[in-house]
Amino acid sequence: AQKVTQAQTEISVVEKEDVTLDCVYETRDTTYYLFWYKQPPSGELVFLIRRNSFDEQNEISGRYSWNFQKSTSSFNFTITASQVVDSAVYFCALRDNNDMRFGAGTRLTVKP
Amino acid sequence: NAGVTQTPKFQVLKTGQSMTLQCAQDMNHEYMSWYRQDPGMGLRLIHYSVGAGITDQGEVPNGYNVSRSTTEDFPLRLLSAAPSQTSVYFCASSRDRLYQETQYFGPGTRLLVL
Repeated sequence: AQKVTQAQTEISVVEKEDVTLDCVYETRDTTYYLFWYKQPPSGELVFLIRRNSFDEQNEISGRYSWNFQKSTSSFNFTITASQVVDSAVYFCALRDNNDMRFGAGTRLTVKP
Repeated sequence: NAGVTQTPKFQVLKTGQSMTLQCAQDMNHEYMSWYRQDPGMGLRLIHYSVGAGITDQGEVPNGYNVSRSTTEDFPLRLLSAAPSQTSVYFCASSRDRLYQETQYFGPGTRLLVL
């Protein structure tokens, strides 16, 4: 069955701390894509990254980095030196032959 | 490009009323979908369409109808609104249904059913 689990419902950090958001997925397909989206307080969904099942290279984009490990079915997202503007709900999602499934989201609050 | 647009932004309905949530995209995307977002549940797929004239059900289709007469538009109809349909509704589109295609989302419609 297709499933995405974000076990951390809410995380609160102080500005400049590093924070990792966990994402664990389940799928029977060998070909699939994983995504992260950000939902700031304004409510829109902003695409952050896409990763395919055959590419386990970690990716870094500025203060953001993603760690994809097929062995543990995880696709974790780390924000380095967090800032107040990073406060948002972050969704991990899986897209395979059964369409797209989202995790419940992690609400990140970065305090000044 | 305007991307994905949704109207209205906010709507209040009474139980039993019907309404249509509008969604349009100007990216010539074949794939369009509707999700609802409820607290603690992420986004759940209601209906989707892989092209004009083709629609199918998602995870939570009951109480909703869709049609796709053009590539650009994908309206979502609530035939008889219920309080359980209070939610935030997002429309999304991608070039096609393939795994690798990123879905881009509209700004959402917040619906309150009394």
